[in-house]
Amino acid sequence: GEDVEQSLFLSVREGDSSVINCTYTDSSSTYLYWYKQEPGAGLQLLTYIFSNMDMKQDQRLTVLLNKKDKHLSLRIADTQTGDSAIYFCAEAPPGAGSYQLTFGKGTKLSVIP
Amino acid sequence: DSGVTQTPKHLITATGQRVTLRCSPRSGDLSVYWYQQSLDQGLQFLIQYYNGEERAKGNILERFSAQQFPDLHSELNLSSLELGDSALYFCASSGGYEQYFGPGTRLTVT
Repeated sequence: GEDVEQSLFLSVREGDSSVINCTYTDSSSTYLYWYKQEPGAGLQLLTYIFSNMDMKQDQRLTVLLNKKDKHLSLRIADTQTGDSAIYFCAEAPPGAGSYQLTFGKGTKLSVIP
Repeated sequence: DSGVTQTPKHLITATGQRVTLRCSPRSGDLSVYWYQQSLDQGLQFLIQYYNGEERAKGNILERFSAQQFPDLHSELNLSSLELGDSALYFCASSGGYEQYFGPGTRLTVT
C-alpha cells in the first residue's frame, strides 16, 4: 500500500500492556519513529529504531521491527492513565540529506482506570 | 518542552488573506521541517530547510512558501488562503535524524 497504516483506536486497562501496530511503506526507510500527541499539544518524540535493529527497549517502551513484513510495533508496559494520547508511527524514506517523515493516521490509546 | 518555539499559537483570518507563521529551532539545529496536520489529510510534510537552503519539498501548495534566515529561524508564508487551509501547522527542528516538534500554530480560515 501507499500509506503508513495504523489501527485507529486501542483501549486498555490501567496496569496492562498496550501494543500499537504499524505497517510502513518503504523497505529502504532508514529510521522508524514513534511520536505521542496529547490533546492540544505538539508531537513528542518517544523513541525511534534504526532499520538494522530488530528491537529497542527504553524503560517502559519496547519497539519491535520486522523488516520483511514492514511491520513496526510499540509496546507500553504497565500502561498508565497519563499514556492516554494519540500515537503516530512515522518512517523516514531515504533522501539526500533529508529525513522528512511520512506519518500514519495515528492510534488513539484510551486507558481505563 | 522540545526547545522549538512557534508563533503565533492561534491565528484566525479570512479567505484570500496572507499569513506568516514563525518557527525558532532548538539551539544548534540547522534543519527546520514544516508539517501540516488536518483532519482529512493527517500529518503531511511540506518543506525542509537546512542552514538557509531548501533541502526537500513535499506536498506544498504553490500558494505556500517558506524561508530560513541566517539566524536559522524559519517562516512559512501562506497566501490566498482558502477554507481548506485551516489546520495545525508544525515545525520540527533537527540536528540529524531526530526531529523535535514545536507546539504548532492553529490556523482558522473563515
